[in-house]
Amino acid sequence: NAGVTQTPKFQVLKTGQSMTLQCAQDMNHNSMYWYRQDPGMGLRLIYYSASEGTTDKGEVPNGYNVSRLNKREFSLRLESAAPSQTSVYFCASSEGINYGYTFGSGTRLTVV
Amino acid sequence: GEDVEQSLFLSVREGDSSVINCTYTDSSSTYLYWYKQEPGAGLQLLTYIFSNMDMKQDQRLTVLLNKKDKHLSLRIADTQTGDSAIYFCAEDGGFKTIFGAGTRLFVKA
Repeated sequence: NAGVTQTPKFQVLKTGQSMTLQCAQDMNHNSMYWYRQDPGMGLRLIYYSASEGTTDKGEVPNGYNVSRLNKREFSLRLESAAPSQTSVYFCASSEGINYGYTFGSGTRLTVV
Repeated sequence: GEDVEQSLFLSVREGDSSVINCTYTDSSSTYLYWYKQEPGAGLQLLTYIFSNMDMKQDQRLTVLLNKKDKHLSLRIADTQTGDSAIYFCAEDGGFKTIFGAGTRLFVKA
């Protein structure tokens, strides 16, 4: 049982380049989330999808877009990468409100 | 707004008990969670407590909740080197769970 799978694991981008981070879960969870983790700041929510077909902004959505492609997949896109987006990105899923999250292993992104 | 605060570091000797503390601000949170993050990995849900409980025990883990003071703690009994990790406290915020910055636990052999 794979749980939550994120690709790629590592990526280096030049300022202004675009890329899409992929996330897929095989637990039939309704809700999916994208967080970024920065030193000393914990996890900050970028976007979430409460259920298939819906997406909503989190705490730090600027510079990002998301797509809930189907129930399994939730992608995060950086249209024009900036050094401030250097971070570790985590995708997570849950059955819904009041359920704990299952996290992927993360994507370490460096923007130079 | 909602906030979750934790101390950043804790160092204990192998075999001792570890107590990781957390304060939160949203008194309406239904659930409070503890997650563990090992190096290079994602967060793993360790345990949770429902807001109408004072204590929950799960093997070596004991969670204490003081709703009046909005204080949550995680006690790890007989701490082992394998417990070295970052521990995150989180409060349920509907679809916007709020995470603390994490407490890095060092276990000295």
